[in-house]
Amino acid sequence: EVQLVESGGGLVQPGRSLRLSCAASGFTFDDYAMHWVRQAPGKGLEWVSGISWNSGSIGYADSVKGRFTISRDNAKNSLYLQMNSLRAEDTALYYCAKDISDTAMASYFDYWGQGTLVTVSS
Amino acid sequence: QSVLTQPPSVSGAPGQRVTISCTGSSSNIGAGYDVHWYQQLPGTAPKLLIYGNSNRPSGVPDRFSGSKSGTSASLAITGLQAEDEADYYCQSYDSSLSPYWVFGGGTKLTVL
Repeated sequence: EVQLVESGGGLVQPGRSLRLSCAASGFTFDDYAMHWVRQAPGKGLEWVSGISWNSGSIGYADSVKGRFTISRDNAKNSLYLQMNSLRAEDTALYYCAKDISDTAMASYFDYWGQGTLVTVSS
Repeated sequence: QSVLTQPPSVSGAPGQRVTISCTGSSSNIGAGYDVHWYQQLPGTAPKLLIYGNSNRPSGVPDRFSGSKSGTSASLAITGLQAEDEADYYCQSYDSSLSPYWVFGGGTKLTVL
């Protein structure tokens, strides 16, 4: 059974940093691209960042480019999101999502974690 | 403002049929990229409902169907049931901008 478990969320002040983690199990992690998708309270889904199986291809939404860094450790079956210079508008539930392919080209997400909540507020 | 446009809400009585539209442009749906649909039940994570425009993952009832034409796509739900009450999101890929993975704004389905 595929499981994606996010952690690392919490309350943080504007301008500070936070690192999210996603522990994956139930599938061969290094066979697939992975993504972070967020959902602000009461709002819709927004793709944040994606990374190919070997970290050779990485992409970011304009809203987080230059502030967030996605990475993965295939030996630990884990996905990460380093979030710096956080803003109030980054407040959201952050989901880890599995891609159906290894390269993440024109793809979609077949499994999602339950999310970890990030609240940016002073 | 989402790249893909969905109606904010739709409703129907049990047993009825409802459709949810998803309108894109020539750089996403119209460029030939597939449309996928997710169902988000209250308080839960999104779940893949339809992939590749019209395909259902294992376990999804055949009451759910998808189609695509031109720059738009649709999700149809027949034999509406109370447990179908949820938010529904379409998703595609856009080759002209970042974010490349684009979602619709979501449609809240209410079963009357």
